[in-house]
Amino acid sequence: DAGVTQSPTHLIKTRGQQVTLRCSPKSGHDTVSWYQQALGQGPQFIFQYYEEEERQRGNFPDRFSGHQFPNYSSELNVNALLLGDSALYLCASSLFSWGAVEAFFGQGTRLTVV
Amino acid sequence: SQQGEEDPQALSIQEGENATMNCSYKTSINNLQWYRQNSGRGLVHLILIRSNEREKHSGRLRVTLDTSKKSSSLLITASRAADTASYFCATDAEDDYKLSFGAGTTVTVRA
Repeated sequence: DAGVTQSPTHLIKTRGQQVTLRCSPKSGHDTVSWYQQALGQGPQFIFQYYEEEERQRGNFPDRFSGHQFPNYSSELNVNALLLGDSALYLCASSLFSWGAVEAFFGQGTRLTVV
Repeated sequence: SQQGEEDPQALSIQEGENATMNCSYKTSINNLQWYRQNSGRGLVHLILIRSNEREKHSGRLRVTLDTSKKSSSLLITASRAADTASYFCATDAEDDYKLSFGAGTTVTVRA
């Protein structure tokens, strides 16, 4: 059973460019969340998708957008890249529940903006 | 801003010793989870404790939760070199779908 897969693993972009990161959730999971982790910090919540809708959003500018497809996979798009967007981007999948939810994380995409 | 804060920021111990790290958080929670991260890669879920639980065990891990003090501790017994990693606590709250992470504790286990 494949876990959460993210692509690409590493990416170098130039300031001002746009980037798309991809995530396939763990089999059977229907909810995808994205986190940004700066060096030496804990992950920060960007947004969560469920039933192809953005269910909750963290404190990130509109340059960060996402999408969830009918097969539950998801994309994170970042426009007008800034140097400060350099970070590890983590995708987490889970199965929707009204109770406690354990999230399964992918290995992340390391984005470097130069 | 981070919801939780782990203490200490870094910990170095000898193989076979126990490692204890603490997490404090600011607002009421539903659940608290601990995750491990190796070398800046993906996070691995270790244990989840609900707000109405006080202690939980999983293998060599023991987690406690004190909601009156808004704090939790993670104990790793008989540490191994493979336990070298960063450990994060994460909380979730009522009507809140996100996990809020602390800045983590970096644990180094020396052979």
